[in-house]
Amino acid sequence: AQKVTQAQTEISVVEKEDVTLDCVYETRDTTYYLFWYKQPPSGELVFLIRRNSFDEQNEISGRYSWNFQKSTSSFNFTITASQVVDSAVYFCALSALNTGGFKTIFGAGTRLFVKA
Amino acid sequence: EPEVTQTPSHQVTQMGQEVILRCVPISNHLYFYWYRQILGQKVEFLVSFYNNEISEKSEIFDDQFSVERPDGSNFTLKIRSTKLEDSAMYFCASRETGSPQETQYFGPGTRLLVL
Repeated sequence: AQKVTQAQTEISVVEKEDVTLDCVYETRDTTYYLFWYKQPPSGELVFLIRRNSFDEQNEISGRYSWNFQKSTSSFNFTITASQVVDSAVYFCALSALNTGGFKTIFGAGTRLFVKA
Repeated sequence: EPEVTQTPSHQVTQMGQEVILRCVPISNHLYFYWYRQILGQKVEFLVSFYNNEISEKSEIFDDQFSVERPDGSNFTLKIRSTKLEDSAMYFCASRETGSPQETQYFGPGTRLLVL
């Protein structure tokens, strides 16, 4: 079975702090894809990143960076120098064809509060 | 940039009424999905649809739910007799192919409130 665990329910930081959101996944597939989505207070889901299981290179996009570690089945997300506009719920998600069909499995989400 | 659109953005209905939620996927996409998010909870898969038939459905997607692609552009989710627990945000998503490497693009959601 596939599963995504985001153990941090809520995180509160002060602006300019760095913050890491944890994600641990489970799948029996050898080929799978991991995603992060942002859900601001307005409710829409905003795609942030996709990684495939064969590419463990870390990725950086501006203030955002992602650390993919297959050995620990983790795909953590770091925001550097957080800003108030980063306040949102962040979802980690997994997609794998053989055991997951065509769907995406989401974690429970981490609510990030960034205070000015 | 192409995007998935959904209408209405909000809907309030009485328990027992039928509702139809509408989605226009990205035009060259072939796989369509509905997800549900109860307030404060995670996003849950409901159903996937390809080639005019359901590819997969979850346990949540029982007989009161149905999906349809009535024309070349719309993709609808019908709830036949709404219950209080159907109150949620419903997201439509589309993907160009069935490959899981393809990103699913989500619509802005329809917030359904059943009274």
